[in-house]
Amino acid sequence: DTAVSQTPKYLVTQMGNDKSIKCEQNLGHDTMYWYKQDSKKFLKIMFSYNNKELIINETVPNRFSPKSPDKAHLNLHINSLELGDSAVYFCASSQVREREGRDTQYFGPGTRLTVL
Amino acid sequence: AQSVTQLGSHVSVSEGALVLLRCNYSSSVPPYLFWYVQYPNQGLQLLLKYTTGATLVKGINGFEAEFKKSETSFHLTKPSAHMSDAAEYFCAVITFGNEKLTFGTGTRLTIIP
Repeated sequence: DTAVSQTPKYLVTQMGNDKSIKCEQNLGHDTMYWYKQDSKKFLKIMFSYNNKELIINETVPNRFSPKSPDKAHLNLHINSLELGDSAVYFCASSQVREREGRDTQYFGPGTRLTVL
Repeated sequence: AQSVTQLGSHVSVSEGALVLLRCNYSSSVPPYLFWYVQYPNQGLQLLLKYTTGATLVKGINGFEAEFKKSETSFHLTKPSAHMSDAAEYFCAVITFGNEKLTFGTGTRLTIIP
């Protein structure tokens, strides 16, 4: 069983469109994340949700909006897509351990977004 | 603030040779350190992690890393490289109470037959 899954794996779209990427984790974790990996492979966190509450919101255009319907799902909606949004987007999840703090983050397979 | 520096964006080694990928961190509090591997067109897979305790950490696929506080380093090693080790490797740091996992810029490992 896949621990962290994302759909779609590939997404090709035109500039100006609105698109969503879905993420689900079956690990029972309380926190989920979205990362962006650019063409140079640099990984940067975008958002983090803990039990459906936004806890990290990095400097990301407000065209990007995360939505967490429940703690097993974190979707990423992108409005008015731009060429510079082309990247690989990774979802991840983790769990707080009482005395150890944040545990390992487990990543999904990624969604490669291409904006034409 | 926390940060990670990976020395060498590209490393090439011969099959059977020692693999050494360097990672230095900066953190004002004790760090948790991770190495992730990314195979072409795939997601990130955890290789190993250091939180507390033994400073020499063993991971999957024969990799290990040693946490050296005095050198602020967490270098990744493997005694004998295999063709299947060719991938991108990322070092990452997080600290207790900080929700952000900060990644290094990655090192692409190439194995020469």
